Amino acid sequence: EAQVTQNPRYLITVTGKKLTVTCSQNMNHEYMSWYRQDPGLGLRQIYYSMNVEVTDKGDVPEGYKVSRKEKRNFPLILESPSPNQTSLYFCASSFNLGGSQYFGPGTRLTVL
Amino acid sequence: QKEVEQDPGPLSVPEGAIVSLNCTYSNSAFQYFMWYRQYSRKGPELLMYTYSSGNKEDGRFTAQVDKSSKYISLFIRDSQPSDSATYLCAMTITGNQFYFGTGTSLTVIP
Repeated sequence: EAQVTQNPRYLITVTGKKLTVTCSQNMNHEYMSWYRQDPGLGLRQIYYSMNVEVTDKGDVPEGYKVSRKEKRNFPLILESPSPNQTSLYFCASSFNLGGSQYFGPGTRLTVL
Repeated sequence: QKEVEQDPGPLSVPEGAIVSLNCTYSNSAFQYFMWYRQYSRKGPELLMYTYSSGNKEDGRFTAQVDKSSKYISLFIRDSQPSDSATYLCAMTITGNQFYFGTGTSLTVIP
């Protein structure tokens, strides 16, 4: 089944404790992206990647890191999480630039 | 000013009604326009994808883009209870950076 998977689905952590949210797609998509979704602010793009080793900032990249060492994986790293990073995070992928994006199921992160 | 504005609703309609959902935007460089549907506790799923101005129809769904007014719409005909969801508009200039509206919550009452 073609899908985007994210792990973990739910995470509660404390301020400053480094964490990684994994994202994997099995559709051989070139483009991958991370978003956060907050009430009243909608979906905002954090980072995107157009191919392996090619990443760029989206609208709200502060406090986040990404890497794209393999085509199928695009982890989101929070080196020192803060409470304002409490949010619902979505990973998405598409076959190419501008293509239809397929979204993962979301990761709900709470930073205390 | 936000790049994309969308009335959050909520919108409540009886089954069978025609639903109109709208977004406005500020950047005239946007070229690709999308509508996503998001059910509660799920990721968004693409409904419609249009390029530049004009209409696109897919079953009960019609997407309209008016670039001169910087206005896009999604029409749902013969709405069903299964259409109850949040609808998000999105747009991009070159397909790398995407800007989303805040979403409109729709409930279709049987």
